[in-house]
Amino acid sequence: QKEVEQDPGPLSVPEGAIVSLNCTYSNSAFQYFMWYRQYSRKGPELLMYTYSSGNKEDGRFTAQVDKSSKYISLFIRDSQPSDSATYLCAMSQAYAGGTSYGKLTFGQGTILTVHP
Amino acid sequence: DAGITQSPRYKITETGRQVTLMCHQTWSHSYMFWYRQDLGHGLRLIYYSAAADITDKGEVPDGYVVSRSKTENFPLTLESATRSQTSVYFCASSSRTATEAFFGQGTRLTVV
Repeated sequence: QKEVEQDPGPLSVPEGAIVSLNCTYSNSAFQYFMWYRQYSRKGPELLMYTYSSGNKEDGRFTAQVDKSSKYISLFIRDSQPSDSATYLCAMSQAYAGGTSYGKLTFGQGTILTVHP
Repeated sequence: DAGITQSPRYKITETGRQVTLMCHQTWSHSYMFWYRQDLGHGLRLIYYSAAADITDKGEVPDGYVVSRSKTENFPLTLESATRSQTSVYFCASSSRTATEAFFGQGTRLTVV
């Protein structure tokens, strides 16, 4: 079983729709949670970052973390064709000494297409 | 230019050849990482480095070698390329106080 599971999709929605992207994880040591967006033939770019349970908003994007259920979500409101990309969840452990701090474990990525 | 850059962007090589992928960052980040991205597997960690001269294996290190003599550079070498190493390779870096990583544009490697 993978430490981080993400539905690869693909997900296709009309412009203006609300999009929900989800990941589950099994490692209780994960304390930091990120969402990356990756356009075709580009490197992943950081979209959202959070380290606590609850919601974090940034414009049309909301990141939600439920540590008790080991479940994270990314919501996109009023989706736009420019949101069409692959979305990757990523997680890392808290600093506990040693050299392994900062390693990210990724989900498979969800391919999203927003149609005009 | 500030940021993280990878070279080359595209590379075709033959089975058995040695190949080195370059990564350079200008932020003086302590941590650097090499990931490979394949369909169905997402991003998988190959090697990482916490500082100059400190490196460690990730999830899929076999067939790869890294070095980090300077903070800003983190080259990845395929000692004897195999077709299974055909992939897109991403270098990333992060600071000592943050966990989010910043990625380069990737190197698309094809082994024939």
